Amino acid sequence: EPEVTQTPSHQVTQMGQEVILRCVPISNHLYFYWYRQILGQKVEFLVSFYNNEISEKSEIFDDQFSVERPDGSNFTLKIRSTKLEDSAMYFCASRWTGVSGNTIYFGEGSWLTVV
Amino acid sequence: AQSVSQHNHHVILSEAASLELGCNYSYGGTVNLFWYVQYPGQHLQLLLKYFSGDPLVKGIKGFEAEFIKSKFSFNLRKPSVQWSDTAEYFCAVNSLGTAGNKLTFGGGTRVLVKP
Repeated sequence: EPEVTQTPSHQVTQMGQEVILRCVPISNHLYFYWYRQILGQKVEFLVSFYNNEISEKSEIFDDQFSVERPDGSNFTLKIRSTKLEDSAMYFCASRWTGVSGNTIYFGEGSWLTVV
Repeated sequence: AQSVSQHNHHVILSEAASLELGCNYSYGGTVNLFWYVQYPGQHLQLLLKYFSGDPLVKGIKGFEAEFIKSKFSFNLRKPSVQWSDTAEYFCAVNSLGTAGNKLTFGGGTRVLVKP
């Protein structure tokens, strides 16, 4: 079964550093997402991306965050200046389009620890 | 805005016991409904989904869920749990027509099955 893949699986970074989390969505999917899960809390929506632009973002997704699809296969989340509270598991997800394609498939997550 | 409530935060039960996890959502329009499972140290995996048709849906690993539109509920059930069902379970709702068709997750229910 096709999978969404994410790298790195775990990253430790110092506060204030920039981090890029990478995702390879399922190849024929057109909608891409980032979610995050702070330890012990619920999964939260960050941003959705379609047709090379952000289609929706949450209040969490402020100016320190950005997303990009640089080469037609990767989908990246950049955190410009990390804060302690950015420590979380970040999930990438993708979806085909159309009613029957409404299942969103998740990657295994990238665990970010900010120290 | 849509929201999803899972009433039980923690459930502890013994092997062979029956499991039912509650999920209610608030959204008046057409929805797709999902249950995801997250085993310890692993990524989110889709257990089952409801799009339309028979409101009783069967998923993997013996799980099923029933959509009751009048109650805005989508409860998850398993007649006889196993130790390997120890995990966190997330209900999610995708309201059709919203930009990006994002998923909104409930807070999760941690299930511990004692051998």
